[in-house]
Formats: sequence, structure tokens, C-alpha cells
Amino acid sequence: EVQLVESGGDLVQPGGSLRLSCAGSGFIFSNYWMNWVRQAPGKGLEWVANIRQDGNKKYYVDSVKGRFSISRDNAKSSLFLQMNFLRAEDTAVYYCARTTVTSHYYYGMDVWGQGTTVTVS
Amino acid sequence: DIQMTQSPSSVSASVGDRVTITCRASQGIDTWLAWYQHKPGKAPKLLIYAASTLQTGVPSRFSGSGSGTDFTLTISSLQPEDFATYYCQQANSFPHTFGQGTKLEIK
Repeated sequence: EVQLVESGGDLVQPGGSLRLSCAGSGFIFSNYWMNWVRQAPGKGLEWVANIRQDGNKKYYVDSVKGRFSISRDNAKSSLFLQMNFLRAEDTAVYYCARTTVTSHYYYGMDVWGQGTTVTVS
Repeated sequence: DIQMTQSPSSVSASVGDRVTITCRASQGIDTWLAWYQHKPGKAPKLLIYAASTLQTGVPSRFSGSGSGTDFTLTISSLQPEDFATYYCQQANSFPHTFGQGTKLEIK
């Protein structure tokens, strides 16, 4: 079964740090771009960051640049999000999701984890 | 950043109704657009990619159209399981922004 499972969410004080993990299984992890998407309480989905298959290209939403760092370990089929200098507005459910992008098409985020909750308070 | 604006923000409809949700991009994105369905406590579900291609396993009552700046998601005959929040997302340029969402409620 194709699956993504997030972990690492917790209650943390403002200014603190947290590292989220996402474990992939049932597919060739190294073939896909990987994303982090979050949903704050009562709000919509927000794309946070993504990383290319080889880990050499990374992109972030402006609100997390300089504070969050996305990384991956293809040998362990794992995705990470290091979150530093956390703020109350980072409180959200964080999802990891895989995607396929070619030069002509965006195939969307077709597999998602169930999410892990980060509370900054 | 490209802004994605969905309308309406919420809609009430009945089982069997036809519903159309619109998504407008602040600049042209060709067909670099996906649609998702999201239910509370669940992972989002991909419905449509490349603006009009139905994801495998998604019922054919869902369809997408558009190119450039204007896009639509249509549900031809609402089923009870379709009541959820729907999001468009562009992937033409970073950040890959989502629309604010359209909540589809039972009338």
C-alpha cells in the first residue's frame, strides 16, 4: 500500500524548535518531489515547502523562509521539516504529500499523509 | 506570488444538484492547476490535475476546465459524500499557492 506517515508534532513554546518527519512506503520515494502543506485551525490549506527528488532544489513560502528547512533521506524514504523560531501562527496540522512534475505537466499531490499537529503556545 | 481566488466561498446545494466552483489566478498559469477535496480530520484528496485531467479513481461526475487565469470545477450530480471543502492550487510558480477554499454544504 502506498502510504505517507507523519510524526513529530507537539506542543512547543514560541521561539522553540521542532522536527517533523514523514515516512514513505509502497512506492519509490526517490522518484517524487515531496511537499509540506499545513492547515491552521479554521483556515484553508497553505503550501509550505517542497524538495526535488535529489534534494538539491528546495522552495519555501515566504512566511517560513529562514526559519524552516526541508530535507530528505531517500535511502530511508523519509522527508523532514526542521522548524525553528516557531511562532503562534505556525500552529497547524502539517501534511506531507508527494507530487510528480514534468516539464509539461503538474500531476498534483496525489498521496498525502494523515497529518501531524503542531501547537505553538 | 500568484494569488488564487475561489468563488463562491461557500455554497449550499442538494443531492443531485449540479455545482460549479470557480478559481481565478492573478496571472496566467497555463494549465498548472490541481483541485482537491478536503473533509475534516482527513487527508486532502486529489481530484483533478493539469486543470482538466481526472485523477485515477475519482468519479466521473467531477470535471475540470480552464486555462490561463480562469478555471472551473464542476460536480454534475452531487452525492452525499461530496459535501466537503474544495481547493484549487497552482504550480506554475513558487510558492504553489492554494485558493482560500469553497465549502460545499447540504441544503
